[in-house]
Amino acid sequence: EPEVTQTPSHQVTQMGQEVILRCVPISNHLYFYWYRQILGQKVEFLVSFYNNEISEKSEIFDDQFSVERPDGSNFTLKIRSTKLEDSAMYFCASRPGITYEQYFGPGTRLTVT
Amino acid sequence: GEDVEQSLFLSVREGDSSVINCTYTDSSSTYLYWYKQEPGAGLQLLTYIFSNMDMKQDQRLTVLLNKKDKHLSLRIADTQTGDSAIYFCAASEGGATNKLIFGTGTLLAVQP
Repeated sequence: EPEVTQTPSHQVTQMGQEVILRCVPISNHLYFYWYRQILGQKVEFLVSFYNNEISEKSEIFDDQFSVERPDGSNFTLKIRSTKLEDSAMYFCASRPGITYEQYFGPGTRLTVT
Repeated sequence: GEDVEQSLFLSVREGDSSVINCTYTDSSSTYLYWYKQEPGAGLQLLTYIFSNMDMKQDQRLTVLLNKKDKHLSLRIADTQTGDSAIYFCAASEGGATNKLIFGTGTLLAVQP
């Protein structure tokens, strides 16, 4: 069964460094998402992406964040200058074009020290 | 904005039925979802229901929606130890973006 994959599973970085989290959505899906879950808090929407552009972003998704679909398979989230409060589990998700189910990847745990 | 709430913990005995409850605040929520998260794993989509439905059944899972009270429940029949996990409720308005708003998650502990 097709699934969303994410790499790396765990990333440790120092404050101020740039990180890129990678996702491979399910083939033929058209909508792509990033969510995050800070330890002990709810899963929060960050950004949605469709037709090579951002369709919606949350207040969390400020100028430090960017997303890209550099080729036909990868979907990336970049954090330019990480802060301690960016430490969280980051989930990628994808959705087919017509129906509304969203499939999530296993997540990348980002630890900023 | 939308707010989704769940109770934090539920403990049941193996073989019993489990009922996990969820409430949401925004009447424009069109799709309601249940996800399962096992330790160290991602969010597994269990099922979702469109707001014009009252009930959806899929094998051991039954979803009930009371749109008037904005209340959603997930019933797991014949609960097994493998069902022990965190269960998340989520709501969306559908549309082009369909961003999900999640509840806090309910930890289901199944006692043998």
